[in-house]
Amino acid sequence: DAGITQSPRHKVTETGTPVTLRCHQTENHRYMYWYRQDPGHGLRLIHYSYGVKDTDKGEVSDGYSVSRSKTEDFLLTLESATSSQTSVYFCAISESGSIGVDSVNEQFFGPGTRLTVL
Amino acid sequence: QKEVEQDPGPLSVPEGAIVSLNCTYSNSAFQYFMWYRQYSRKGPELLMYTYSSGNKEDGRFTAQVDKSSKYISLFIRDSQPSDSATYLCAMDGMDSSYKLIFGSGTRLLVRP
Repeated sequence: DAGITQSPRHKVTETGTPVTLRCHQTENHRYMYWYRQDPGHGLRLIHYSYGVKDTDKGEVSDGYSVSRSKTEDFLLTLESATSSQTSVYFCAISESGSIGVDSVNEQFFGPGTRLTVL
Repeated sequence: QKEVEQDPGPLSVPEGAIVSLNCTYSNSAFQYFMWYRQYSRKGPELLMYTYSSGNKEDGRFTAQVDKSSKYISLFIRDSQPSDSATYLCAMDGMDSSYKLIFGSGTRLLVRP
């Protein structure tokens, strides 16, 4: 793995409770992403960051917030967890954009966090 | 309609078979086409990519893009049980965020 850790790796929580997932990188990459992966939907982008304190929404951002106060850390918060947020959450990092025929911006993924909301 | 469509499988083949995995897409502006491989309970990892149209070969793997049909393929020759995984196609989001648009993934099982 490209120096990406996620914590916790597994979590079971109850509906209505706040949950924070952490992504930590040691690669000093500028871009960080949070995805959720569900059967039949593949990977869907929740939020992403293009620098410290610079974040934006992805396609499934409702009910989630993020923060990035340091280059290496990207936090995902479920403000009030619901059963529909039961999923596997992946963090990804990338250095820069796609830059040409012989080189592509690769996203490196963390090991994932399995979240169950009861 | 999803921007990227991919048959979820599962696709079960005997060892040594040639495997064909495919995706269709709707946005003609996509330029980068990637294949990620994801083993069970792991994060995806980039397997191959192509820029624009054409073929690209890497060992037993060949990636093919047909932009006129908005269709991409990944071929695996001499498939091995270790190739058993979920294969996700991905395409660039064509904006400054460098987002990727993923297919839902095809689960491949190579039987010994």
